[in-house]
Amino acid sequence: DTGVSQDPRHKITKRGQNVTFRCDPISEHNRLYWYRQTLGQGPEFLTYFQNEAQLEKSRLLSDRFSAERPKGSFSTLEIQRTEQGDSAMYLCASSGAGDLNYGYTFGSGTRLTVV
Amino acid sequence: GNSVTQMEGPVTLSEEAFLTINCTYTATGYPSLFWYVQYPGEGLQLLLKATKADDKGSNKGFEATYRKETTSFHLEKGSVQVSDSAVYFCALLGAAGNKLTFGGGTRVLVKP
Repeated sequence: DTGVSQDPRHKITKRGQNVTFRCDPISEHNRLYWYRQTLGQGPEFLTYFQNEAQLEKSRLLSDRFSAERPKGSFSTLEIQRTEQGDSAMYLCASSGAGDLNYGYTFGSGTRLTVV
Repeated sequence: GNSVTQMEGPVTLSEEAFLTINCTYTATGYPSLFWYVQYPGEGLQLLLKATKADDKGSNKGFEATYRKETTSFHLEKGSVQVSDSAVYFCALLGAAGNKLTFGGGTRVLVKP
């Protein structure tokens, strides 16, 4: 297992376009998390899944954002009608429900630039 | 709600100097505490952790002690190297275990 994979690493899009990011967690991890990190700030929680169920969403996740994890494996995060304020690093992480105290394993992130 | 406050950077040090990054938290119950490190262009890596009061986490020469009485988890290293230049994040996992809450990060720059 190569850890948590995110694709793409970088995305530049024009304002108003839709974008979709993918995250492949560690295969035996049943929890998957999305975070957003803006320049000079700590990661902010967006949402998390346990298997295919989306159990919590932050109020940061506006109606333009949607996340899915259809088969409890990989996840996608879609942003519709992107705005310049969406420019950030989007981080995915995974963990096993039985070892939460070991922390999460993070991917390298997808850096989104909205121009 | 849960929150983490850590000292603002950047912190600039010479090689072999002593490093301290302060971190304090607010949480209900008994959270677990973590330090993550982010090297340029990379994701976050777990550096060390402590799951209960008075536990000391340690890794790669870094240490942090979970102090419940002062709600703190300060990171220390006795002799830093240039390769320690990175951004360090303090984080907590609340008693509900649902999500990590991060501090704002502290950038550390070690000069030769």
